[in-house]
Amino acid sequence: LAKTTQPISMDSYEGQEVNITCSHNNIATNDYITWYQQFPSQGPRFIIQGYKTKVTNEVASLFIPADRKSSTLSLPRVSLSDTAVYYCLVGDLNSGGYQKVTFGTGTKLQVIP
Amino acid sequence: GAGVSQTPSNKVTEKGKYVELRCDPISGHTALYWYRQSLGQGPEFLIYFQGTGAADDSGLPNDRFFAVRPEGSVSTLKIQRTERGDSAVYLCASSLAGTERYNEQFFGPGTRLTVL
Repeated sequence: LAKTTQPISMDSYEGQEVNITCSHNNIATNDYITWYQQFPSQGPRFIIQGYKTKVTNEVASLFIPADRKSSTLSLPRVSLSDTAVYYCLVGDLNSGGYQKVTFGTGTKLQVIP
Repeated sequence: GAGVSQTPSNKVTEKGKYVELRCDPISGHTALYWYRQSLGQGPEFLIYFQGTGAADDSGLPNDRFFAVRPEGSVSTLKIQRTERGDSAVYLCASSLAGTERYNEQFFGPGTRLTVL
């Protein structure tokens, strides 16, 4: 499984755009990149997933360069409620749709008023 | 139900005791995962079920840990002869594997296990 590296923590003011970059130098051809968000005392929650280029949904955008060795999660105009731990994961979607993923330590985002 | 549920929410036991942790996945989800999360760490994969069978149990730390999913829905994680090092939050997740949508895993709130 590809190992991921991301900053341990980040601070941001409310209303700013936040970009969290994850390195995954050993990503395999069949690996997808997924980001999860976790609040204290809750299970992680899926944010976004992509394979290459750019993916956008109602919550975030995911930018993946051509070599796929890194990815950047972009959160537009963060609010206090976005304070959480963000995990970057890579894993293979096998024929059954099962994705065995490895969570790292994540990035603890603190949004400041 | 609306989401993944786990019972109990908290479990305190003594070293050497046996515990069972239950997971009720989202109805219709064929894939079920168990993770363990220690303080300050990300979730650690334990086991994955596709239907009733354990398709991947490579994350189980040793033979004191065992999980079942006899009818392809509810799953039970069983820990024998608990040790203090087993103290953690045990998370369950389910997904609708094999669909075209993202392989999104839906997590439950977890069971906090404390071994005294």
